[in-house]
Amino acid sequence: GQNIDQPTEMTATEGAIVQINCTYQTSGFNGLFWYQQHAGEAPTFLSYNVLDGLEEKGRFSSFLSRSKGYSYLLLKELQMKDSASYLCAVSYYTGGFKTIFGAGTRLFVKA
Amino acid sequence: DADVTQTPRNRITKTGKRIMLECSQTKGHDRMYWYRQDPGLGLRLIYYSFDVKDINKGEISDGYSVSRQAQAKFSLSLESAIPNQTALYFCATSTGTGTYQPQHFGDGTRLSIL
Repeated sequence: GQNIDQPTEMTATEGAIVQINCTYQTSGFNGLFWYQQHAGEAPTFLSYNVLDGLEEKGRFSSFLSRSKGYSYLLLKELQMKDSASYLCAVSYYTGGFKTIFGAGTRLFVKA
Repeated sequence: DADVTQTPRNRITKTGKRIMLECSQTKGHDRMYWYRQDPGLGLRLIYYSFDVKDINKGEISDGYSVSRQAQAKFSLSLESAIPNQTALYFCATSTGTGTYQPQHFGDGTRLSIL
């Protein structure tokens, strides 16, 4: 079956760097997404990885290792507004493209 | 205006009632999805539709039904609501081309069933 694991919660300090890990087990892997979701709001797309390596987008970077079934989201220069849940999602193909979401990692940024 | 609009935003109702949640989009996307989100469980797919004539069950479709009235409209119905269907419901859309297909979410409907 398809499965995604992420830590439930993390705490970090404003201005610091934090790494949020995601491990997955899927067949027919097609790509990995990261979404940000503030409390009570809709998830919004952050990044996409389909090949191994690092994708950088401003303060956010995402890494993928397909052989290890592993990804991380790296947030630099943390700001208070980065306090949110971060959802790892995997796209896979089984007779059609589908997406499975992890339960999300709640990040608390403290002053 | 939001690209993906859900109505209502909040709803409180009683066990046994029929409820419809509506979703409309102006993004021109072919694919639409309904998810529910519960604390600690993340987003779980209820139904999805890749075009107007295509409806597919997700992992938790029991107790729900959907209708794709047009490319831009996808509604979710709870035929006879029960308390464990209390959750935050999201509609999402994505394009049907290419492998890079992030989903775009509406603002959600908070549903409480008493």
